[in-house]
Amino acid sequence: AQSVTQLGSHVSVSEGALVLLRCNYSSSVPPYLFWYVQYPNQGLQLLLKYTSAATLVKGINGFEAEFKKSETSFHLTKPSAHMSDAAEYFCAVSHSGNTPLVFGKGTRLSVIA
Amino acid sequence: NAGVTQTPKFRILKIGQSMTLQCTQDMNHNYMYWYRQDPGMGLKLIYYSVGAGITDKGEVPNGYNVSRSTTEDFPLRLELAAPSQTSVYFCASSIDTVYGYTFGSGTRLTVV
Repeated sequence: AQSVTQLGSHVSVSEGALVLLRCNYSSSVPPYLFWYVQYPNQGLQLLLKYTSAATLVKGINGFEAEFKKSETSFHLTKPSAHMSDAAEYFCAVSHSGNTPLVFGKGTRLSVIA
Repeated sequence: NAGVTQTPKFRILKIGQSMTLQCTQDMNHNYMYWYRQDPGMGLKLIYYSVGAGITDKGEVPNGYNVSRSTTEDFPLRLELAAPSQTSVYFCASSIDTVYGYTFGSGTRLTVV
């Protein structure tokens, strides 16, 4: 069975500081991995995805994530946090194109001025 | 292009009442999903469909029913509302999981 663990339900960073949101996955086969962002009172928006091509994936709004098979990780980073990055972030995994995504519990990112 | 449209946006139900949450997509996606989101719990899959006439249970299907008579529509039915069904419900669609989902804006349901 596939699963996702997001370390830290709440992360707080200063504006301009590095953002690091952690995601570890469990999958018996090579996974497809995703990061979604949810702004208050909105639906989820796709940030980026890994589908077995390049291990370093670049997404929208300056975010990127690196797939590390040896560590079963897919951490999300951004070099410099902006106030507009404050939101909840979800990591998700699937092991095939017709298998629904399994989501982590989410990490709320706060950005302090 | 409207994407995924959910109605209503908000609803308060009394215990034992029933209702249908509507979901429509105009992208001709075969795959559609219903998730519920509870604080600190992430999103949990209720039901999904891989095409018209085909539905399957997810992780938390009890108390819900779905149908998929057309490619566009995937309504979620609550027959006897219970306080445990207080949640935010999201509908999503995709061509294929590999491409990711398009989400609706959600329905916030409170059962009192």
